[in-house]
Amino acid sequence: EVQLVESGGGLVQAGGSLRLSCTASGITFDTYEMNWVRQVPGKGLEWVSYIGSPSGPIYYADSVKGRFTISRDNAKNSLYLEMNALRVEDTALYYCTSFTNYYDRSGDKISDGFDLWGQGTMVTVSS
Amino acid sequence: DIQMTQSPSSLSTSVGDRVTITCQASQNINSFLNWYQQRPGKAPKLLIYAATELPRGVPPRFSGSRSEKDFTLTISSLQPDDFETYYCQQSFRTPYTFGRGTKVEIK
Repeated sequence: EVQLVESGGGLVQAGGSLRLSCTASGITFDTYEMNWVRQVPGKGLEWVSYIGSPSGPIYYADSVKGRFTISRDNAKNSLYLEMNALRVEDTALYYCTSFTNYYDRSGDKISDGFDLWGQGTMVTVSS
Repeated sequence: DIQMTQSPSSLSTSVGDRVTITCQASQNINSFLNWYQQRPGKAPKLLIYAATELPRGVPPRFSGSRSEKDFTLTISSLQPDDFETYYCQQSFRTPYTFGRGTKVEIK
């Protein structure tokens, strides 16, 4: 079965740290580009970070740059998000998602989509 | 950053109705536009990629179109399972940005 399973969320005080993990199964993980996307409950979606395959490039949203670090261990089929200097506004449900490239018949890339999603792990930062 | 302006934020409609949701990009994004459907308490599901393409398993009542920077998601005949929230998202350039979402509710 193809699935992504996140873990590592929890309650932490502002300024603290957490490490999120995402374990993939049913896919050739090292060929997949991966992302973290977050969502405040009841609100919209915000992209957080991207890591290419097998290990780069890496991109971050400005809101987390310098505080969060994305990484992957392809031997363990795992994606990570190290979150430091957490802020109250980082409170959200964090989803691990894979990124699939789509091409037209000429071989030109026409889009990338977040096609596989985990169930999410909740991060709550208290003041 | 590329801004995605999605409208309406919500709409009330009935089973069998035709529904249209629009999304405008703040700059050219070619066809790098995706639509997602999200049920309460669940992760989003990719509904349309590359502005007009349906992933395998998505019913054909869903369709997408593009006119330059304007994108449209159409549900031709709304079914009970379709009363969810829909988001557009651009993958042309990081930061990848989403629209604010459209909640489709039962009238």
